[in-house]
Amino acid sequence: QVQLVQSGAEMKKPGASVKVSCKTFGYTFGSFRIHWLRQAPGQGLDWMGLIDPSEGRTTYAEKYQGRVTMTRDTSTNTVYLEMTSLRSEDTATYFCARDPPPGAYHLMPPFDYWGQGVLVTFSS
Amino acid sequence: EIVMTQSPDSLSVSLGERATIKCKSSQSVLSKSNNKNYIAWYQQKPGQPPRLLIYLALTRESGVPDRFSGSGSGTDFTLTISSLQAEDVAVYYCHQYLDIPPWTFGQGTKVDIK
Repeated sequence: QVQLVQSGAEMKKPGASVKVSCKTFGYTFGSFRIHWLRQAPGQGLDWMGLIDPSEGRTTYAEKYQGRVTMTRDTSTNTVYLEMTSLRSEDTATYFCARDPPPGAYHLMPPFDYWGQGVLVTFSS
Repeated sequence: EIVMTQSPDSLSVSLGERATIKCKSSQSVLSKSNNKNYIAWYQQKPGQPPRLLIYLALTRESGVPDRFSGSGSGTDFTLTISSLQAEDVAVYYCHQYLDIPPWTFGQGTKVDIK
């Protein structure tokens, strides 16, 4: 059974960094990319970037370049999102989602499984 | 970047009635190589992640009730709930995955009971 299980909620101070995880189960880790998306309270979905777990290659959205790093641990089938220089506008729920390999979209759907989300909030 | 625009922003429908949500892309999302439209629809309930309903504009994901259907081509798409049930109260998002990166979403349409 495919599952993406994310780490728990975080409360941070402005200027700090946060690292959240997404542990995958039930499929071959390297066969699907993992995307990170975020959703500010009451807002829509904002794509942040992706990691290909087979090679560790990453692609980041332009607005997050230089502030986010996505990594993976193939021994635990886990991917990580680290975000630095946090500000209050980064308050959001952060989701990971599974996605098929490039070229497979004519057969397979995008973002078919999602993690439960991690709420990152700020307190000064 | 392809911009996705949904209408309306919110919708109130009586139980058992039809709900229709529109999605317009700023460029065509029809693949020239296979003539498929790379549009997906998601349902999101409060406190939950999005759930995939429809992909390739009209293919229902496994386990999705057949009252949900997708249609359209090119730049104009529709998600239809043929007979609204109480459990369908949610926010619905369209999503294009042809011209990537970035993967882009509509702003969402909130559906509730009249």
